[in-house]
Amino acid sequence: AQSVAQPEDQVNVAEGNPLTVKCTYSVSGNPYLFWYVQYPNRGLQFLLKYITGDNLVKGSYGFEAEFNKSQTSFHLKKPSALVSDSALYFCAVRDTYSGGSYIPTFGRGTSLIVHP
Amino acid sequence: DVKVTQSSRYLVKRTGEKVFLECVQDMDHENMFWYRQDPGLGLRLIYFSYDVKMKEKGDIPEGYSVSREKKERFSLILESASTNQTSMYLCASSKLTGNYGYTFGSGTRLTVV
Repeated sequence: AQSVAQPEDQVNVAEGNPLTVKCTYSVSGNPYLFWYVQYPNRGLQFLLKYITGDNLVKGSYGFEAEFNKSQTSFHLKKPSALVSDSALYFCAVRDTYSGGSYIPTFGRGTSLIVHP
Repeated sequence: DVKVTQSSRYLVKRTGEKVFLECVQDMDHENMFWYRQDPGLGLRLIYFSYDVKMKEKGDIPEGYSVSREKKERFSLILESASTNQTSMYLCASSKLTGNYGYTFGSGTRLTVV
């Protein structure tokens, strides 16, 4: 079975400071990992994904994520936060050993608030 | 620009009404999904489909049904709407393996009164 955890309901950061939104996962095989962002009353927008290869993945809007297999983590990061980054962030995982069912599991979401 | 389109952004229905939520994608994706999003609960899968006329139950299918008569269209049906179905409904699609990610619609905020 696959699962994903976002341990923080909310992250607060000052504009210009680095930000980290945490995600840990559990899979049987190798993970496919995704980050999405949701602005109020909108759908989810794709930020980045890890399938294989380099552990540091770069995505949209200056975000990046680091895959750490030993810690089963895929934390989202940005060197300098903007007020406009304030949104709800979702981590998702799909196990390569999915038995033919290619369904992702999403975390509960982390609300990022960037203060001016 | 590729996209997933949900027919309504906001919808208000009365208890007991039959409600149809429509979703159309233009990416020739095999998979389509319906999620429900509630505060503190994240995204919960209601139903998904990996092919025309095929459907599988997700985590919370009770009170819902779906229809996929054409590859590009996936409809969510609330047979008899209840107040506890007031929620944000999100449609998504992907290629069969999902390796390229999942594309979401803008969501339908449904209020049942």
